[in-house]
Amino acid sequence: SAVISQKPSRDICQRGTSLTIQCQVDSQVTMMFWYRQQPGQSLTLIATANQGSEATYESGFVIDKFPISRPNLTFSTLTVSNMSPEDSSIYLCSVRRGRPGTDTQYFGPGTRLTVL
Amino acid sequence: LAKTTQPISMDSYEGQEVNITCSHNNIATNDYITWYQQFPSQGPRFIIQGYKTKVTNEVASLFIPADRKSSTLSLPRVSLSDTAVYYCLVGANQAGTALIFGKGTTLSVSS
Repeated sequence: SAVISQKPSRDICQRGTSLTIQCQVDSQVTMMFWYRQQPGQSLTLIATANQGSEATYESGFVIDKFPISRPNLTFSTLTVSNMSPEDSSIYLCSVRRGRPGTDTQYFGPGTRLTVL
Repeated sequence: LAKTTQPISMDSYEGQEVNITCSHNNIATNDYITWYQQFPSQGPRFIIQGYKTKVTNEVASLFIPADRKSSTLSLPRVSLSDTAVYYCLVGANQAGTALIFGKGTTLSVSS
């Protein structure tokens, strides 16, 4: 299994500001994933963060808007920059662990962001 | 990645068995089928995973026909606490590959 914690659990921010979300995993992992879940919607993958290299972003997401750091094998941050109300979502950190047949992806509790 | 189709919502009563079917017509040979559960204000949680035939654990059963173009998640004797969104995902088990989520099925259990 994997224990994932995120900080903050929630925040209310003003338009134009930035928020950095932290993700801590209980043991080392190569890849960490960041998702966004807008109200009433499914999860959308933002990017994959590999330690020691730049994150790989999915279509529709760019580094200037969502810079990601991955300083070591147990920690990552996602920054939501120059926020607008459309960025109001739950942001989730995730890791994958296991072998084929028992492979499981684990998720953090999420960070609920409200932008006014 | 194989696309999945599942009902948007389902309703049930406590004590009933609930079966949620997912279609994945273009599943690849090395793809596994995985189901996740998500409660409000929580991250998704792994329920069950299978490749073919039937898989059972303490929470659910997963039925996969021989052609693997669909799968059925079976929840025995649901309770109010099973009210959640259930996601069917199909993909290869590769450590560097993130799961891609579809819309999911919102299950509502009433007393």
